[in-house]
Amino acid sequence: AQSVTQLDSHVSVSEGTPVLLRCNYSSSYSPSLFWYVQHPNKGLQLLLKYTSAATLVKGINGFEAEFKKSETSFHLTKPSAHMSDAAEYFCVVTDSGGYQKVTFGTGTKLQVIP
Amino acid sequence: GAGVSQSPSNKVTEKGKDVELRCDPISGHTALYWYRQSLGQGLEFLIYFQGNSAPDKSGLPSDRFSAERTGGSVSTLTIQRTQQEDSAVYLCASRTIYNEQFFGPGTRLTVL
Repeated sequence: AQSVTQLDSHVSVSEGTPVLLRCNYSSSYSPSLFWYVQHPNKGLQLLLKYTSAATLVKGINGFEAEFKKSETSFHLTKPSAHMSDAAEYFCVVTDSGGYQKVTFGTGTKLQVIP
Repeated sequence: GAGVSQSPSNKVTEKGKDVELRCDPISGHTALYWYRQSLGQGLEFLIYFQGNSAPDKSGLPSDRFSAERTGGSVSTLTIQRTQQEDSAVYLCASRTIYNEQFFGPGTRLTVL
C-alpha cells in the first residue's frame, strides 16, 4: 500500500522569501517521488522527480526537493519565491513494484504576496 | 514532438446523456492514466492501462464509467447517463519508462 500526505493545503509567502511545501509518503516498495505544478487554468507539469539516484533533486524554475528515507519525506523548496510561482503543487508517489500504482497528494496552493 | 492531446476541450451535456472523452498519448508511451479533478479538489485516479495487461479499474466511481484503449494508443473514457456530480475536468496522462507522467490539457465536462 502507498499513500502521500501534503501537510499544508495552503501556503502563503512574500515574494523573495523561501518556499517550503511539505510532503510525507509511505510505500511498500522503493518509491519514485515526483512534484507536479498546476498553474491556474493550465495543465499539470512535471517539476522534478526522485528515482533512487541522488537524494537532492533539482527541478525546473529553481525548485529542489530532498528525499529523506528516515523521515519518509520529500519536501519541495525554493530559496526565493517569485510571483510566477503562485500555483498548486502536487506530491506524487509511484511504487517501483510491478504495477506501478500512482498516488497523488491533495495539493498545496502556494500564494505569493508582492 | 507532440504532447498528450485530449478532445474535446470542453463538453456541455444534459443530465442522462452519454459522453465520450478522447485521449491521444505520446507515441511510444505504454502506460496511460485517466484522472478526474473536481473544482478545488486534487486528482482522483480513475483507470490505468499498461501495455497489454488488464487495466486497473479500481478508481472508476460507478459502472456508468468505462474506458478502453485501442491498439495500445488512443483511449476513450465513456460516461453513461451522466449526472451533475460527474462535472469535472478529466485529465489523461501517458507515462515514460522512467515513471514520468505527461498530462494532457484536460476535458472540462459540465453536466446541466
